[in-house]
Amino acid sequence: NAGVTQTPKFRILKIGQSMTLQCAQDMNHNYMYWYRQDPGMGLKLIYYSVGAGITDKGEVPNGYNVSRSTTEDFPLRLELAAPSQTSVYFCATGGQSSYEQYFGPGTRLTVT
Amino acid sequence: RKEVEQDPGPFNVPEGATVAFNCTYSNSASQSFFWYRQDCRKEPKLLMSVYSSGNEDGRFTAQLNRASQYISLLIRDSKLSDSATYLCVAISSNTGKLIFGQGTTLQVKP
Repeated sequence: NAGVTQTPKFRILKIGQSMTLQCAQDMNHNYMYWYRQDPGMGLKLIYYSVGAGITDKGEVPNGYNVSRSTTEDFPLRLELAAPSQTSVYFCATGGQSSYEQYFGPGTRLTVT
Repeated sequence: RKEVEQDPGPFNVPEGATVAFNCTYSNSASQSFFWYRQDCRKEPKLLMSVYSSGNEDGRFTAQLNRASQYISLLIRDSKLSDSATYLCVAISSNTGKLIFGQGTTLQVKP
């Protein structure tokens, strides 16, 4: 089992460009999450999903969108990249009865 | 005030030392707490849950002090491989979501 996979690993965007960060899990978990982690900071929740077709905003959703058409996939979309979105993005998944979350390896995004 | 606060460190200790990290939380209604470990440029991974009665896992001991609203992590007999950032995590009583502290960095030296 791969667990949680994320692509790409690294990306440099110009201001105003758009991109989609991919996240896939093979753990059959209903719950999926997107976090961002700025240098020296804790993780902040961007969006989350409790199951296919259901998404909700986290603490810092502005500038991002998500969709959850299947249990396995939870892509994160940046429509108009800004320098403030330079960060490391982690996708995570969790079971319904446990607060343990399993993280993907992260995507390092730089917006210049 | 941040909901979960940690001293970022770094804590530099020699191998074999005992080191303790504290973490404070602001919401007295928070019920569940965890310690995650994050290696440099890697994803966080669950280290241990924190129970009210305190719990131990090998060289690691976690404790919760509800009266003072802090959580601690004690590492005994530090190994070089313990070098990492340790993230304190609370479950938000408002949203049920994980709230992460900024992390405490530990460097264990030979």
